[in-house]
Amino acid sequence: NAGVTQTPKFRVLKTGQSMTLLCAQDMNHEYMYWYRQDPGMGLRLIHYSVGEGTTAKGEVPDGYNVSRLKKQNFLLGLESAAPSQTSVYFCASSYLPVGGGEQYFGPGTRLTVT
Amino acid sequence: RKEVEQDPGPFNVPEGATVAFNCTYSNSASQSFFWYRQDCRKEPKLLMSVYSSGNEDGRFTAQLNRASQYISLLIRDSKLSDSATYLCVVMPNTGNQFYFGTGTSLTVIP
Repeated sequence: NAGVTQTPKFRVLKTGQSMTLLCAQDMNHEYMYWYRQDPGMGLRLIHYSVGEGTTAKGEVPDGYNVSRLKKQNFLLGLESAAPSQTSVYFCASSYLPVGGGEQYFGPGTRLTVT
Repeated sequence: RKEVEQDPGPFNVPEGATVAFNCTYSNSASQSFFWYRQDCRKEPKLLMSVYSSGNEDGRFTAQLNRASQYISLLIRDSKLSDSATYLCVVMPNTGNQFYFGTGTSLTVIP
């Protein structure tokens, strides 16, 4: 099993450009999450999904959109990138609801917006 | 006030030392607690869950103090391979999300 994979691993965007980050998991997990990690801030939840076709806002959703069209994939979109969105983005998945067990993280995407 | 607060360190300890980290949380109704480990430029990975009665996994012991709203992680006989950032994670009794602390950096020195 590959676990949780993320593409791309690195990306540099100019302000105003758009992009989509792809997260894929092969563990048949219902729950998937997108976090961002910034120095001194810890990981913060952007959006999450409790199943195929569902999405919900997390702690810092502004400027991002998500879609979960297939159970194994969770996409994070930036429609108009801003320098404040420079961060490391982690996707995670879990079999049980949050708090019920382990979250498995992908390797991260390092995004720089200039 | 942040949901979860940790001393960022860094903690620099010699091999074989015992080191302890504390983490405080603000929501008294929080119900699930975890320690994750994150190596430099890598993803976080679950180290251990924290149960009300405390729990131990080899050299690692986690404890929960609900009255004072903190959790702790004790590492005995530190190894070089323990060098990492340790993230405290708390789930409140509402919602579907974790709250992560900013992490405590540990370096074990030969």
